[in-house]
Amino acid sequence: QKEVEQDPGPLSVPEGAIVSLNCTYSNSAFQYFMWYRQYSRKGPELLMYTYSSGNKEDGRFTAQVDKSSKYISLFIRDSQPSDSATYLCAMSAPSNFGNEKLTFGTGTRLTIIP
Amino acid sequence: GAGVSQTPSNKVTEKGKYVELRCDPISGHTALYWYRQSLGQGPEFLIYFQGTGAADDSGLPNDRFFAVRPEGSVSTLKIQRTERGDSAVYLCASSETGTGLTSGANVLTFGAGSRLTVL
Repeated sequence: QKEVEQDPGPLSVPEGAIVSLNCTYSNSAFQYFMWYRQYSRKGPELLMYTYSSGNKEDGRFTAQVDKSSKYISLFIRDSQPSDSATYLCAMSAPSNFGNEKLTFGTGTRLTIIP
Repeated sequence: GAGVSQTPSNKVTEKGKYVELRCDPISGHTALYWYRQSLGQGPEFLIYFQGTGAADDSGLPNDRFFAVRPEGSVSTLKIQRTERGDSAVYLCASSETGTGLTSGANVLTFGAGSRLTVL
């Protein structure tokens, strides 16, 4: 079983819809939770990060972390065609090396239909 | 530079050959990371440098893989005796520090990757 599970999709929704993406994880040591967006043939780009549990909002994006359920979510409101990309969840735990050794999900491929 | 630069963007090689992939991080970033992304998968951690030294190489799959960062800036990932299973996109990322996200300083910026195909 992978440490981080993410439905690979693909997911297609009409423009303007609310999109819900989520990941589950098994490592209780994870404390940092991130969402990356990756366009085709590009590197991942950090969208949001959260430390420990709670919600965080940035414009049309909301990230939620529920550590008791080991479940994280990303919501996109008023989705736009430009939001079409692969969305990767990523997590990390404090380490002796002090680095951000990220563990990624497989990514969900999202298409917003105009 | 303005972003993380990786060369070559594409590399096709034959099984058994030696390959070098280069990463030029954002100027001033002390932390540098290599990840590998196979088709349909998320990136997997390979190695992390803090300055010139490899602080964590626990993700390197075997001794055919090696990475250096001799002057604390540019890094080279070296793969010996390539195998078909090494085919993937190799991503490099850099950050200002390697000491945690809570300060807000350690945001990883990824390059576009080097796509390696081993025939």
